[in-house]
Amino acid sequence: SQQGEEDPQALSIQEGENATMNCSYKTSINNLQWYRQNSGRGLVHLILIRSNEREKHSGRLRVTLDTSKKSSSLLITASRAADTASYFCATDAEAAGNKLTFGGGTRVLVKP
Amino acid sequence: EAQVTQNPRYLITVTGKKLTVTCSQNMNHEYMSWYRQDPGLGLRQIYYSMNVEVTDKGDVPEGYKVSRKEKRNFPLILESPSPNQTSLYFCASSRIGDEQFFGPGTRLTVL
Repeated sequence: SQQGEEDPQALSIQEGENATMNCSYKTSINNLQWYRQNSGRGLVHLILIRSNEREKHSGRLRVTLDTSKKSSSLLITASRAADTASYFCATDAEAAGNKLTFGGGTRVLVKP
Repeated sequence: EAQVTQNPRYLITVTGKKLTVTCSQNMNHEYMSWYRQDPGLGLRQIYYSMNVEVTDKGDVPEGYKVSRKEKRNFPLILESPSPNQTSLYFCASSRIGDEQFFGPGTRLTVL
């Protein structure tokens, strides 16, 4: 099974609301990364959080990491229609030599 | 502009006809990787390279070959494509242990 698994698989919210998605993983990691993908396009890197960090912010994005629970969350505040996309977490496992393992993604729909 | 380029972006071919998808990055990254993305299966790594002349198998390497003769290029070769290799392919590059930059994708259909 995949190293990272996102929850929920799909999320539908109104513009202005917050969106939260979670990622769980199985093995120890060097870092965990979040990516966004608009339909059929390339992935865009959002945030990288290292294993010794607990929280990181970038604009309207907030990522937390709990290594004891092997989980991470991505919060998008004050969502916009342009945030509609699929969001993936990816883990860089300690033993994997820079290899990223992706979860199945969360599809987010922000309705105007 | 820092980028990863892939060519072609779209390709329709027939079973058994050898093809190459090129990938090039202009960021002097050591690490390069190929992924395929299929509905319900997410992104799966095909091959990766930690540096020139250093390549290794990912999770789904069967039916694919790669080479890394130069730092900037990492072509993906399908010697004898089959319909189950119909997919969306992404190339990515990064510094070791850092965020990955993805190309725009190549949509391949094998008839």
